[in-house]
Amino acid sequence: DVKVTQSSRYLVKRTGEKVFLECVQDMDHENMFWYRQDPGLGLRLIYFSYDVKMKEKGDIPEGYSVSREKKERFSLILESASTNQTSMYLCASSFPGPTIEQYFGPGTRLTVT
Amino acid sequence: TQLLEQSPQFLSIQEGENLTVYCNSSSVFSSLQWYRQEPGEGPVLLVTVVTGGEVKKLKRLTFQFGDARKDSSLHITAAQTGDTGLYLCAGEDFGNEKLTFGTGTRLTIIP
Repeated sequence: DVKVTQSSRYLVKRTGEKVFLECVQDMDHENMFWYRQDPGLGLRLIYFSYDVKMKEKGDIPEGYSVSREKKERFSLILESASTNQTSMYLCASSFPGPTIEQYFGPGTRLTVT
Repeated sequence: TQLLEQSPQFLSIQEGENLTVYCNSSSVFSSLQWYRQEPGEGPVLLVTVVTGGEVKKLKRLTFQFGDARKDSSLHITAAQTGDTGLYLCAGEDFGNEKLTFGTGTRLTIIP
């Protein structure tokens, strides 16, 4: 059974803190993605990675960075959390190629106070 | 950035009724996917449509890709409470493995 896991389901952080969100997949997928989900806006792509140590900016990368040191792990970093980064964060992975299904983790609901 | 608008944003209907959800864009996509997301979970793929005008059926769900590959619809026949969830369309760019997700339709089926 395919599995994408995220390190926390709920997280509360203070403004200015550095935040790490971890994602691990066990399917040997090359591609990994980080999205944020906000009501009425759907899922917006923050960063994605096609391979280890490779990263590409998505549509809303400002205020975020990522790290992919191992194929199965993709980390999202908020260097200095702000209240407008309060959101649901979803990680996904897939094999390369067109029309390929993305498999999602359960999400991390981050609240920045 | 390409945009995918879904309508309606919210839909609440009685069990047994039929419904249609729309996904529209001014951009052309190489393929379009539909996902369903339940509370506390990530989205799960329902179907992928690739060819303009393509129709796919998944039990009581019928998916159609527009002829011009800019829009799609999801029709549910005889809705059941198990159909409750957030429905998301997602378009794939040509030559690019990124997905652009729609704004979502939150569907509630009332028993």
